[in-house]
Amino acid sequence: AQKVTQAQTEISVVEKEDVTLDCVYETRDTTYYLFWYKQPPSGELVFLIRRNSFDEQNEISGRYSWNFQKSTSSFNFTITASQVVDSAVYFCALSEHEAAGNKLTFGGGTRVLVKP
Amino acid sequence: AAGVIQSPRHLIKEKRETATLKCYPIPRHDTVYWYQQGPGQDPQFLISFYEKMQSDKGSIPDRFSAQQFSDYHSELNMSSLELGDSALYFCASSLAGLAGVMGEQYFGPGTRLTVT
Repeated sequence: AQKVTQAQTEISVVEKEDVTLDCVYETRDTTYYLFWYKQPPSGELVFLIRRNSFDEQNEISGRYSWNFQKSTSSFNFTITASQVVDSAVYFCALSEHEAAGNKLTFGGGTRVLVKP
Repeated sequence: AAGVIQSPRHLIKEKRETATLKCYPIPRHDTVYWYQQGPGQDPQFLISFYEKMQSDKGSIPDRFSAQQFSDYHSELNMSSLELGDSALYFCASSLAGLAGVMGEQYFGPGTRLTVT
């Protein structure tokens, strides 16, 4: 069974500080996908990034970067130079298999509060 | 760019009533998913459809049913509503294409259902 754990329930930072969100996953499959979603106070779920299990290359996209390490089953996400608008709940999610329609299993979410 | 459309955005029902939630996927997307998010919780997968066929099924109560129509829109029907059904219901869509490989799931704004 697949499982996603986000140990940090809430993180509070001051604007311009970096924020790293931890995510640890469990799966028996060799092919899987990992995601990060953002849920601002308005409630919608915003897709941020997706990685597949065969691509451990870490990248940077604007102020976002991620660190995928299969050896430790971790998929951490970093916001550089945080802004007040980054305040939201961030969810890490996992999908086993690559078949269409396969479900996402979410972690419990990490609430990020960026103070001015 | 067009996004996932959900209607209604808010719905108030009484116990034992029925409700129908509608989802219009992003144009050309062939896969839809339904998730339920209780207050302070992570989204929980209910059911998904790929090319109008049920693809995956989660912890969806027997009182709920769903289908995907020929124009790819989907409806979630909920009967004998209970207080515990009060939640934010998300629809998401993705493009699998002929290969049937899952793509990123893009979420709609959600329908907030309140059962009194």
